[in-house]
Order: sequence, then structure tokens, then C-alpha cells
Amino acid sequence: GEDVEQSLFLSVREGDSSVINCTYTDSSSTYLYWYKQEPGAGLQLLTYIFSNMDMKQDQRLTVLLNKKDKHLSLRIADTQTGDSAIYFCAESSSGGYNKLIFGAGTRLAVHP
Amino acid sequence: GAVVSQHPSRVICKSGTSVKIECRSLDFQATTMFWYRQFPKQSLMLMATSNEGSKATYEQGVEKDKFLINHASLTLSTLTVTSAHPEDSSFYICSADEGGSGNTIYFGEGSWLTVV
Repeated sequence: GEDVEQSLFLSVREGDSSVINCTYTDSSSTYLYWYKQEPGAGLQLLTYIFSNMDMKQDQRLTVLLNKKDKHLSLRIADTQTGDSAIYFCAESSSGGYNKLIFGAGTRLAVHP
Repeated sequence: GAVVSQHPSRVICKSGTSVKIECRSLDFQATTMFWYRQFPKQSLMLMATSNEGSKATYEQGVEKDKFLINHASLTLSTLTVTSAHPEDSSFYICSADEGGSGNTIYFGEGSWLTVV
């Protein structure tokens, strides 16, 4: 079945880069997404990448997609304390591109 | 971007009662909406796909008689938790598809349900 896996925790120093990794199983996923969730809040879409792309950059965010290995990563440059949150990787399901399968989430902690 | 609103944001109900959560697309029409559930410190699990004008499609393991979904209009889907029990306490979040491709899926702010 469809499955998305992420490491659960990442700690970085303020100003350093953060790299959050994700692996997925459904090779037919059309889109892959990164969402951010702050405590007690809903989901904020950070960025997404179409499956025929290798890389997408949006300001401090860089998404890399290795479709062969089914590996997705999110790099946050110059990480700030405000970036502390849970980051979810999600793939669009084979049952429909708007039906998302989420990973367990990576808790990013940024310390001075 | 498009806005999806959920109401209530927080609700406390007694065991055995039912509670309704609304998901509205405020500035677009959505023929399809999705309901997810998130337990504390866990991921979002898709519960069901809500289709305007037809029955919802439930994911495996989700009790359709307990989690009633009604998608009566192109801008509103409701999730009713019937005969709620403490184990139903969770964060429920919906999403709606504006149409098109890519970044056209918008999530609501979520609803915290506590059953006491």
C-alpha cells in the first residue's frame, strides 16, 4: 500500500541549514508536498513539487526529488526559531491527486 | 489563496452525544473534500472522501455509521461524530480541492474534539 516515512526529530542551530528527509512508496504519485504545522494549529502548505521535476526552490526552501529512490527532501536555509514546527511530507494518492497520504511528521527544533 | 474554514475550532461534548463539525470553502466551490484525523503527536490519517451530492467514500477501518459525512453543497461538508466516546477525542481537519493541479488543495484550521 501507500506509505510515507520520515525521521521523527531534527535539531539544528539557528542560522544553519535544516534538511528533512522523506521516502514514499507510490511511484505513481503526481505531486509531493511539504506542510508545516505549528502547535495546536492547522496545516500550512510550504511547497510542492511535480513528479517530473528534480528540484524546486522557493526563497529559503529547496525541495529535491529523487524519483528513482522515491526520496524527497526539504532544505531550509538559514533556519530561524520561527521555523520550529512539525513538517509533514505528503504524496498524492493513486486514488486521486487531491487525496493525500502523510508521513508521521518531523519535529524540527531550532536552538540558539 | 483560497480559504477553507472549519467550525467549531474546539468543542467539548459528553460521552454518548453527537457533535457536528463543518468544513466550508469560503471563496471557491469544491466537489470533493477530505476529512482527516490526527491523534496527538501523530500524523494525519485520511478518514473519508466527501463527494458533493453522493455518498462519502470511507477509508478502511473507519466506521461510516459513527462518522457521518454529508456534502450537501459545493461549499459545505459536515462530519458528525455520533455517540462520541473519549477515544474519539482528536484533531479533525478537512481539506478541499479548488480544482486544477498542484497547489489547489487547501486545509482548514482543524477542530479539536474532546469527549468527556
